[in-house]
Formats: sequence, structure tokens, C-alpha cells
Amino acid sequence: GENVEQHPSTLSVQEGDSAVIKCTYSDSASNYFPWYKQELGKRPQLIIDIRSNVGEKKDQRIAVTLNKTAKHFSLHITETQPEDSAVYFCAASGNKLVFGAGTILRVKS
Amino acid sequence: DVKVTQSSRYLVKRTGEKVFLECVQDMDHENMFWYRQDPGLGLRLIYFSYDVKMKEKGDIPEGYSVSREKKERFSLILESASTNQTSMYLCANKVVGAYEQYFGPGTRLTVT
Repeated sequence: GENVEQHPSTLSVQEGDSAVIKCTYSDSASNYFPWYKQELGKRPQLIIDIRSNVGEKKDQRIAVTLNKTAKHFSLHITETQPEDSAVYFCAASGNKLVFGAGTILRVKS
Repeated sequence: DVKVTQSSRYLVKRTGEKVFLECVQDMDHENMFWYRQDPGLGLRLIYFSYDVKMKEKGDIPEGYSVSREKKERFSLILESASTNQTSMYLCANKVVGAYEQYFGPGTRLTVT
């Protein structure tokens, strides 16, 4: 079955810096790659996603890139702000969604 | 706006008790899911349901069962709770053919 690995497990950045979180997946049949943000005590919420026929997608300060050949995808957050502090989960989907272990992002002001 | 609710935010149960966790969604979505979330392990799929009275095992179904008698309600059952089932439980749902899953607020279950 699908296996998703996510790195790093924790990430601390200064406010205004960029943050990058990387994920690899194992099943070449996976065709949908979402990123969820979970703030402390709250439910996970979708922040951006990408389909397998697209290499990059951007939404304001966040972007996701996908390399299907290498089976990895990344989340990029630019100009980080304290409210970006949260746990971020990547996931890969073929017939079901498989999540990475999560990255705790801390933005220091 | 999709609304997904779970019966309890916090629950404390004793080892051996039968535990029911309920999830209700109000958007007529066919697919529903139960995950557990543990630090360092992410979200792991326990069971899912494509539609009423249908259920499929996820990646970690041992010790759990589910019930889907109505479209809007998906219940997770711990037949005999054990301490290793202490966790955050999240339900989710989505429309058939779509990808995005909508999560409930979670139930933090402690088994003592």
C-alpha cells in the first residue's frame, strides 16, 4: 500500500523567512496530493492541493510542487507569519488518503 | 459550509468498556471516514464507508468496528477499550468523486 514520509518533523523559522516541508510517496498510482494545516486544538483544514497532471500550484504565500518521476512533493510558505504556526500534514491519494506524520512549524516573531 | 460534528470533545473511559464515538455531517456526503491521530504517526485510517450500510477496513481496523445506518451518521465502536486506544479520533467526509475531505473537531479519548 501507499506510504508517505514527511520531513522535517519540526521546523522553526523567523517571521518573514520561508519554510519548506517535503514529502515522498511510494505508490505511483497516487494522483492527488493535499496539504492540511492543523492549528492547536482545531481540526485539520485543507490549505492547498495538487493533482498529478500539474507540476506546481500557488495560492498567495503558499505553493506546492510535485515531481511525479521522483515521487515527491513539497509545500513552500513564503513571508511566514506567526499565524502560520501549526502542524502541517501532507497526504497522497490513490483510492484512499494516506497521511504523512506531520511537521510542527513554529514561526518566531 | 460543511458542518461535521462529533459527539464529544473529550472522553475518559475505563479499560474493557464499550465506547461509541459518533460523527454527524449535514451536507449529504456519501463517503465518511474515521482516523486516529497520534504524535509522530500522523492520521491513520481506521474504517471508511462509501455509503449507508457499507463499510471498508482501513489501515488499522483491529479493535474497532463501525456502523452506518443513516447517511449523515457514522459511528466508531471500541468493543473493549484498551489503553493503547488512547488517542485523538477524527472523522471526515467527502462527496463521491471529489477529493477534499472535511474533518470534524475530534474526540480526545483517554482509556485508563
